Amino acid sequence: SQQGEEDPQALSIQEGENATMNCSYKTSINNLQWYRQNSGRGLVHLILIRSNEREKHSGRLRVTLDTSKKSSSLLITASRAADTASYFCATARMDSSYKLIFGSGTRLLVRP
Amino acid sequence: EAGVVQSPRYKIIEKKQPVAFWCNPISGHNTLYWYLQNLGQGPELLIRYENEEAVDDSQLPKDRFSAERLKGVDSTLKIQPAELGDSAVYLCASSKAGQGPQETQYFGPGTRLLVL
Repeated sequence: SQQGEEDPQALSIQEGENATMNCSYKTSINNLQWYRQNSGRGLVHLILIRSNEREKHSGRLRVTLDTSKKSSSLLITASRAADTASYFCATARMDSSYKLIFGSGTRLLVRP
Repeated sequence: EAGVVQSPRYKIIEKKQPVAFWCNPISGHNTLYWYLQNLGQGPELLIRYENEEAVDDSQLPKDRFSAERLKGVDSTLKIQPAELGDSAVYLCASSKAGQGPQETQYFGPGTRLLVL
């Protein structure tokens, strides 16, 4: 079963534009993580935000977390063609914090 | 630092045949995970090891799937017999122990299985 649901399922933007992906989840969490997966590759960890944090930055990435709405967003600024990939949110639940539950992902296409 | 190594990268078998996947985690990582990823979906945990102990195998279909990590380093995931629905990508990941829920998981490239 998958707790996280990403929105949109697919996103196509022009290089240089910003890309925003959203994730909603169902149960209380310890933290929420975002991963990137290039075609045919494994997942790469991007950023982790704890349940008591509201916003976090890493380079061109900005993640927000709203625990009252059980939602998170990932913003990629000034996108590049190399950002083309699938992006997954994963939640670590409070009652089973070692187990990550992944969403179904957002497929991002950045057109040159 | 070498990443998580998985082999083979691709495997095509006929249904009812056995198949095995191998994973070598990052050196020093005591925690090892096997995930199943269906097309267009996120990974789903099959089993988690702490050293050689399987601490969470609740999602592993034990009638046909088995896994081992005998020396607490590399691991093998086996399916016997394989069914058509087992066609998927099998991902291995590892992480350092002792970081609790904040631990970052490092994923291998996966083994893409096609059952005909």
